[in-house]
Amino acid sequence: AQSVTQLDSHVSVSEGTPVLLRCNYSSSYSPSLFWYVQHPNKGLQLLLKYTSAATLVKGINGFEAEFKKSETSFHLTKPSAHMSDAAEYFCVVTPFGGYNKLIFGAGTRLAVHP
Amino acid sequence: EAQVTQNPRYLITVTGKKLTVTCSQNMNHEYMSWYRQDPGLGLRQIYYSMNVEVTDKGDVPEGYKVSRKEKRNFPLILESPSPNQTSLYFCASSPTGDGYTFGSGTRLTVV
Repeated sequence: AQSVTQLDSHVSVSEGTPVLLRCNYSSSYSPSLFWYVQHPNKGLQLLLKYTSAATLVKGINGFEAEFKKSETSFHLTKPSAHMSDAAEYFCVVTPFGGYNKLIFGAGTRLAVHP
Repeated sequence: EAQVTQNPRYLITVTGKKLTVTCSQNMNHEYMSWYRQDPGLGLRQIYYSMNVEVTDKGDVPEGYKVSRKEKRNFPLILESPSPNQTSLYFCASSPTGDGYTFGSGTRLTVV
Protein backbone atom coordinates (compact mmCIF):
# COMPACT_ATOMS: atom_id res chain seq x y z
CA ALA A 1 0.00 0.00 0.00
CA GLN A 2 1.11 3.54 -0.66
CA SER A 3 1.70 5.99 2.13
CA VAL A 4 3.39 9.29 2.82
CA THR A 5 5.17 10.45 5.96
CA GLN A 6 5.99 14.07 6.54
CA LEU A 7 8.74 14.02 9.11
CA ASP A 8 8.04 17.40 10.70
CA SER A 9 4.67 18.72 11.75
CA HIS A 10 6.07 22.24 12.28
CA VAL A 11 9.09 24.00 10.80
CA SER A 12 10.17 27.50 11.74
CA VAL A 13 12.72 29.55 9.77
CA SER A 14 13.86 33.11 9.56
CA GLU A 15 13.16 35.16 6.46
CA GLY A 16 15.99 34.80 3.96
CA THR A 17 17.18 31.40 5.27
CA PRO A 18 16.74 28.06 3.49
CA VAL A 19 13.62 25.94 3.81
CA LEU A 20 13.65 22.13 4.03
CA LEU A 21 10.39 20.19 4.39
CA ARG A 22 10.92 16.46 4.55
CA CYS A 23 8.77 13.75 3.00
CA ASN A 24 9.24 9.99 2.76
CA TYR A 25 6.97 7.79 0.74
CA SER A 26 6.13 4.14 0.50
CA SER A 27 5.03 2.72 -2.82
CA SER A 28 5.24 -0.67 -4.47
CA TYR A 29 5.53 0.82 -7.93
CA SER A 30 6.81 4.00 -9.50
CA PRO A 31 4.73 6.68 -7.87
CA SER A 32 3.76 10.15 -8.90
CA LEU A 33 4.60 12.64 -6.16
CA PHE A 34 3.32 16.13 -5.53
CA TRP A 35 3.69 19.00 -3.12
CA TYR A 36 0.68 21.17 -2.41
CA VAL A 37 0.54 24.36 -0.36
CA GLN A 38 -2.42 25.61 1.66
CA HIS A 39 -2.47 29.21 2.81
CA PRO A 40 -4.80 30.12 5.68
CA ASN A 41 -8.47 29.91 4.72
CA LYS A 42 -7.60 28.97 1.16
CA GLY A 43 -7.79 25.86 -0.97
CA LEU A 44 -4.76 23.81 -1.95
CA GLN A 45 -2.42 24.91 -4.70
CA LEU A 46 -0.12 22.61 -6.63
CA LEU A 47 3.53 23.59 -6.05
CA LEU A 48 5.24 20.94 -8.13
CA LYS A 49 4.98 17.34 -9.32
CA TYR A 50 7.25 14.41 -10.11
CA THR A 51 6.03 11.93 -12.70
CA SER A 52 9.15 9.86 -13.56
CA ALA A 53 10.93 12.42 -15.69
CA ALA A 54 13.78 14.50 -14.19
CA THR A 55 14.48 13.69 -10.54
CA LEU A 56 14.97 17.36 -9.65
CA VAL A 57 11.67 19.10 -10.05
CA LYS A 58 11.23 22.86 -10.07
CA GLY A 59 7.96 24.39 -9.00
CA ILE A 60 6.37 27.73 -8.47
CA ASN A 61 7.62 30.48 -6.13
CA GLY A 62 11.21 29.19 -6.12
CA PHE A 63 10.48 25.80 -4.60
CA GLU A 64 12.04 22.59 -5.82
CA ALA A 65 12.08 18.95 -4.77
CA GLU A 66 14.36 16.03 -5.49
CA PHE A 67 13.10 12.49 -5.99
CA LYS A 68 15.50 9.99 -4.41
CA LYS A 69 14.37 6.46 -5.05
CA SER A 70 17.12 4.87 -2.93
CA GLU A 71 16.00 6.90 0.08
CA THR A 72 12.28 6.90 -0.85
CA SER A 73 12.29 10.63 -0.23
CA PHE A 74 10.86 13.71 -1.92
CA HIS A 75 12.01 16.64 0.19
CA LEU A 76 10.89 20.18 -0.63
CA THR A 77 13.44 22.99 -0.54
CA LYS A 78 13.73 26.69 -1.16
CA PRO A 79 16.99 28.64 -0.93
CA SER A 80 15.56 31.72 0.75
CA ALA A 81 12.31 31.89 2.69
CA HIS A 82 9.89 34.75 2.26
CA MET A 83 7.20 35.83 4.70
CA SER A 84 4.56 34.85 2.15
CA ASP A 85 5.77 31.23 2.28
CA ALA A 86 4.17 30.77 5.70
CA ALA A 87 1.53 28.10 5.08
CA GLU A 88 0.82 24.40 5.45
CA TYR A 89 2.51 22.07 2.98
CA PHE A 90 1.34 18.63 1.98
CA CYS A 91 3.35 15.87 0.35
CA VAL A 92 1.11 13.69 -1.80
CA VAL A 93 1.55 10.38 -3.62
CA THR A 94 -0.58 8.71 -6.25
CA PRO A 95 0.01 5.06 -7.01
CA PHE A 96 1.13 4.07 -10.49
CA GLY A 97 -1.87 4.41 -12.77
CA GLY A 98 -4.08 5.38 -9.87
CA TYR A 99 -4.75 8.97 -10.69
CA ASN A 100 -8.16 8.91 -9.12
CA LYS A 101 -6.56 8.82 -5.70
CA LEU A 102 -4.33 11.28 -3.87
CA ILE A 103 -2.75 10.03 -0.64
CA PHE A 104 -1.82 12.94 1.61
CA GLY A 105 0.75 13.29 4.31
CA ALA A 106 -0.36 14.86 7.57
CA GLY A 107 1.10 18.22 6.59
CA THR A 108 3.95 20.48 7.72
CA ARG A 109 3.18 23.95 8.98
CA LEU A 110 5.89 26.39 7.95
CA ALA A 111 6.37 29.54 10.01
CA VAL A 112 8.61 32.33 8.70
CA HIS A 113 9.94 34.90 11.17
CA PRO A 114 11.28 38.35 10.29
CA GLU B 1 -11.40 32.00 -14.83
CA ALA B 2 -10.72 28.28 -14.49
CA GLN B 3 -11.85 27.18 -11.08
CA VAL B 4 -13.58 24.73 -8.78
CA THR B 5 -16.47 26.34 -6.93
CA GLN B 6 -17.86 24.94 -3.70
CA ASN B 7 -20.92 26.15 -1.85
CA PRO B 8 -21.50 27.00 0.88
CA ARG B 9 -18.16 28.12 2.37
CA TYR B 10 -19.44 27.74 5.90
CA LEU B 11 -22.35 25.67 7.23
CA ILE B 12 -23.63 24.94 10.71
CA THR B 13 -26.34 22.32 10.93
CA VAL B 14 -27.99 19.98 13.40
CA THR B 15 -27.60 16.25 13.69
CA GLY B 16 -29.78 14.34 11.27
CA LYS B 17 -30.74 17.21 8.96
CA LYS B 18 -29.90 16.27 5.38
CA LEU B 19 -27.56 18.62 3.55
CA THR B 20 -25.81 18.96 0.22
CA VAL B 21 -22.51 20.65 -0.53
CA THR B 22 -22.25 21.59 -4.17
CA CYS B 23 -19.13 21.44 -6.32
CA SER B 24 -18.82 22.72 -9.86
CA GLN B 25 -15.83 22.98 -12.20
CA ASN B 26 -15.65 24.91 -15.48
CA MET B 27 -12.60 23.15 -16.96
CA ASN B 28 -14.30 20.12 -18.50
CA HIS B 29 -12.30 17.83 -16.22
CA GLU B 30 -12.94 14.08 -16.16
CA TYR B 31 -11.77 13.37 -12.62
CA MET B 32 -13.42 14.80 -9.51
CA SER B 33 -12.96 13.98 -5.84
CA TRP B 34 -14.13 14.93 -2.39
CA TYR B 35 -11.79 15.11 0.58
CA ARG B 36 -12.17 15.94 4.22
CA GLN B 37 -9.41 17.59 6.20
CA ASP B 38 -9.00 17.00 9.92
CA PRO B 39 -6.16 18.26 12.14
CA GLY B 40 -3.16 15.93 12.16
CA LEU B 41 -4.67 13.64 9.52
CA GLY B 42 -4.08 15.57 6.32
CA LEU B 43 -6.76 15.11 3.67
CA ARG B 44 -8.62 11.85 3.24
CA GLN B 45 -10.59 10.90 0.17
CA ILE B 46 -14.32 10.41 0.61
CA TYR B 47 -15.50 9.63 -2.95
CA TYR B 48 -14.19 10.08 -6.43
CA SER B 49 -15.54 10.09 -9.96
CA MET B 50 -13.72 9.31 -13.17
CA ASN B 51 -16.53 10.48 -15.45
CA VAL B 52 -20.27 11.01 -15.68
CA GLU B 53 -22.16 8.27 -13.84
CA VAL B 54 -18.86 6.68 -12.69
CA THR B 55 -18.23 7.07 -8.98
CA ASP B 56 -16.49 5.00 -6.33
CA LYS B 57 -15.64 5.04 -2.65
CA GLY B 58 -12.49 6.53 -1.25
CA ASP B 59 -11.02 5.86 2.16
CA VAL B 60 -13.77 7.33 4.35
CA PRO B 61 -17.11 7.03 2.50
CA GLU B 62 -19.36 6.13 5.44
CA GLY B 63 -22.19 8.62 5.92
CA TYR B 64 -21.72 10.29 2.52
CA LYS B 65 -23.23 9.99 -0.92
CA VAL B 66 -22.30 11.54 -4.25
CA SER B 67 -23.66 11.74 -7.75
CA ARG B 68 -22.18 12.70 -11.12
CA LYS B 69 -25.06 13.36 -13.50
CA GLU B 70 -23.20 16.06 -15.39
CA LYS B 71 -19.50 16.43 -16.01
CA ARG B 72 -19.19 19.78 -14.28
CA ASN B 73 -21.04 18.98 -11.04
CA PHE B 74 -20.19 16.59 -8.22
CA PRO B 75 -22.36 17.25 -5.13
CA LEU B 76 -21.61 15.72 -1.74
CA ILE B 77 -24.68 14.61 0.19
CA LEU B 78 -24.91 13.93 3.90
CA GLU B 79 -28.22 12.14 4.43
CA SER B 80 -28.08 12.21 8.24
CA PRO B 81 -25.13 14.27 9.43
CA SER B 82 -23.48 13.46 12.75
CA PRO B 83 -21.01 15.47 14.86
CA ASN B 84 -18.09 13.31 13.70
CA GLN B 85 -18.64 14.72 10.22
CA THR B 86 -17.66 18.16 11.44
CA SER B 87 -14.71 18.91 9.20
CA LEU B 88 -13.29 20.99 6.37
CA TYR B 89 -14.31 19.59 2.99
CA PHE B 90 -12.57 20.07 -0.34
CA CYS B 91 -13.69 19.26 -3.83
CA ALA B 92 -11.03 18.81 -6.52
CA SER B 93 -10.91 18.15 -10.24
CA SER B 94 -8.32 17.09 -12.78
CA PRO B 95 -8.25 16.42 -16.54
CA THR B 96 -6.13 13.29 -16.16
CA GLY B 97 -5.37 12.87 -12.47
CA ASP B 98 -1.97 14.46 -13.01
CA GLY B 99 -2.38 17.49 -10.78
CA TYR B 100 -5.66 18.52 -9.20
CA THR B 101 -7.33 21.92 -8.86
CA PHE B 102 -8.97 22.37 -5.46
CA GLY B 103 -11.94 24.42 -4.40
CA SER B 104 -11.71 26.88 -1.51
CA GLY B 105 -13.29 24.50 0.97
CA THR B 106 -16.48 24.14 2.97
CA ARG B 107 -16.26 24.28 6.74
CA LEU B 108 -19.08 22.14 8.14
CA THR B 109 -20.10 22.05 11.79
CA VAL B 110 -22.68 19.50 12.94
CA VAL B 111 -24.12 20.14 16.40
